[in-house]
Amino acid sequence: DQQVKQNSPSLSVQEGRISILNCDYTNSMFDYFLWYKKYPAEGPTFLISISSIKDKNEDGRFTVFLNKSAKHLSLHIVPSQPGDSAVYFCAASATSGTYKYIFGTGTRLKVLA
Amino acid sequence: EAGVAQSPRYKIIEKRQSVAFWCNPISGHATLYWYQQILGQGPKLLIQFQNNGVVDDSQLPKDRFSAERLKGVDSTLKIQPAKLEDSAVYLCASSSLNYGYTFGSGTRLTVV
Repeated sequence: DQQVKQNSPSLSVQEGRISILNCDYTNSMFDYFLWYKKYPAEGPTFLISISSIKDKNEDGRFTVFLNKSAKHLSLHIVPSQPGDSAVYFCAASATSGTYKYIFGTGTRLKVLA
Repeated sequence: EAGVAQSPRYKIIEKRQSVAFWCNPISGHATLYWYQQILGQGPKLLIQFQNNGVVDDSQLPKDRFSAERLKGVDSTLKIQPAKLEDSAVYLCASSSLNYGYTFGSGTRLTVV
């Protein structure tokens, strides 16, 4: 049972354009969400988070949007840069529980120069 | 601050052999996690420690996997005996309460 889904395994975007990565979840108890970025041969690194009390969080070129009614979140990268090429994982947690995160399967982003 | 340290980075073993991975979390982080990431999938939680106590090990294949966290700091994850399907990257992460994780670089295990 995949509680966190990233339905696009890969995405290619031109440099300077917007990258939109999507994530859907099924568990209504999830109230805290993270995006991680992973380069080859490295562990995932934290990118940006959002709590369910918000519908948007912005950090520089990265913005995460949360639509609780649709159980959907998205990560926008504007403008995209070649260094953004990596695998992006969304993760969700129910903070009333044990803070464990359930990860999606990842989306491989390739930003073309 | 120093990150989460894991060793070894790579390991190749034959099936039915045993293997152990080591993790040193960020100093002061009470919670430590071991995740298994099979190629093409997202990380899957194997076990979660709070200090030296196990909080969640519901997805740990206990017939072959074991983990311990000595004195609430370092942790080891052991597989005995290994199977081909155990080939994966094993990620250790730690966190302070109420925030996201910091991951180590992982150990890539290949079972042949």
